[in-house]
Amino acid sequence: DTGVSQDPRHKITKRGQNVTFRCDPISEHNRLYWYRQTLGQGPEFLTYFQNEAQLEKSRLLSDRFSAERPKGSFSTLEIQRTEQGDSAMYLCASSSTGGPNSPLHFGNGTRLTVT
Amino acid sequence: SQQGEEDPQALSIQEGENATMNCSYKTSINNLQWYRQNSGRGLVHLILIRSNEREKHSGRLRVTLDTSKKSSSLLITASRAADTASYFCATVIIGNQFYFGTGTSLTVIP
Repeated sequence: DTGVSQDPRHKITKRGQNVTFRCDPISEHNRLYWYRQTLGQGPEFLTYFQNEAQLEKSRLLSDRFSAERPKGSFSTLEIQRTEQGDSAMYLCASSSTGGPNSPLHFGNGTRLTVT
Repeated sequence: SQQGEEDPQALSIQEGENATMNCSYKTSINNLQWYRQNSGRGLVHLILIRSNEREKHSGRLRVTLDTSKKSSSLLITASRAADTASYFCATVIIGNQFYFGTGTSLTVIP
């Protein structure tokens, strides 16, 4: 169990640029979640995959955001035309097939700063 | 949107004291989970309590759940400086949606 890994750890970009983050979940986990966390707040749900199917998207996820999990393994989160309000920690988590009682395993996040 | 709300927002105690934090939520849940987050890191799962359970223990952690009041509490006994972190409750409703609260920032003074 190597844990959930996220890349990069930090990203600084200029407003209007596109950014892409990667998440590698725990290998046997088929559920993968993306959350966004701003300073002093709890994680806010963005989207959720079961295998390669994106089952749910938050209304927070504007059409500038897109997430994929093409082979049901790693996932990418892309933000197009970044805005300063996108500055946040983006967290990825995975869980096993044990249903709603399976806890989430989080990566250490990607901190995005939009200047 | 955030389903849960922790209270207090910040808590500072001396090492060896007990720390209690509370979580209130809005809708019916499948289970409630508590997580811990050290600064700049991801969250780590601590303990889960199902909706039909009232109390659960794990080491120095004790969790209670009152579904009639839609509230939960997390007690950390004999706190240590290493317990300094933010603590979040997460409610799990239908499907596999996890909703996190706003968190309690705990500081344990050595």
